Amino acid sequence: AQSVTQLDSQVPVFEEAPVELRCNYSSSVSVYLFWYVQYPNQGLQLLLKYLSGSTLVKGINGFEAEFNKSQTSFHLRKPSVHISDTAEYFCAVSPNAGNNRKLIWGLGTSLAVNP
Amino acid sequence: DTEVTQTPKHLVMGMTNKKSLKCEQHMGHRAMYWYKQKAKKPPELMFVYSYEKLSINESVPSRFSPECPNSSLLNLHLHALQPEDSALYLCASRPGGRTDGYTFGSGTRLTVV
Repeated sequence: AQSVTQLDSQVPVFEEAPVELRCNYSSSVSVYLFWYVQYPNQGLQLLLKYLSGSTLVKGINGFEAEFNKSQTSFHLRKPSVHISDTAEYFCAVSPNAGNNRKLIWGLGTSLAVNP
Repeated sequence: DTEVTQTPKHLVMGMTNKKSLKCEQHMGHRAMYWYKQKAKKPPELMFVYSYEKLSINESVPSRFSPECPNSSLLNLHLHALQPEDSALYLCASRPGGRTDGYTFGSGTRLTVV
């Protein structure tokens, strides 16, 4: 079985400051990892994903994440945030093999960017 | 076309009403999903269709009835809902046989009165 822990439920930050949203996971099998963003009153949008290869993954809107297998982490970073980055961010994992490949979600991190 | 389209965007229904939510994709994806999402919570999986057959039902009450008429279309029929069923209902799709590449719709905001 898999589980995902997002270590911060809320992250307040000032505009143009850097931000890191933390995600740790637990799994007995190899997984794919995802970050999704949900803007107010909208659906979920894929920010980035790690499937294999380079552990540094670049996504949309200037976000990037680094897969660390030894620490079972997949933290999301942005060097300079904008007001428009205010949203709910979800980390998710899925087994990369086998019949049961459901997405397992973290509880989410609410990013509030203040002027 | 790289979108999942959900209609309606908003729905208010009484507890005795029957209504349906619609989801459509034209990406050739063979797996389609219904999720329920409460505010500030992650989505909860309800149903999975794979190649137009129901493959997963996450013990969802029978007042929710899914239907997959063809490979591009997914419906969720609603009947005798309760106020606690009020939520954002999200549809998603992905290519068959692959775990990556989920695409989500923008959802239907359902309010049961």
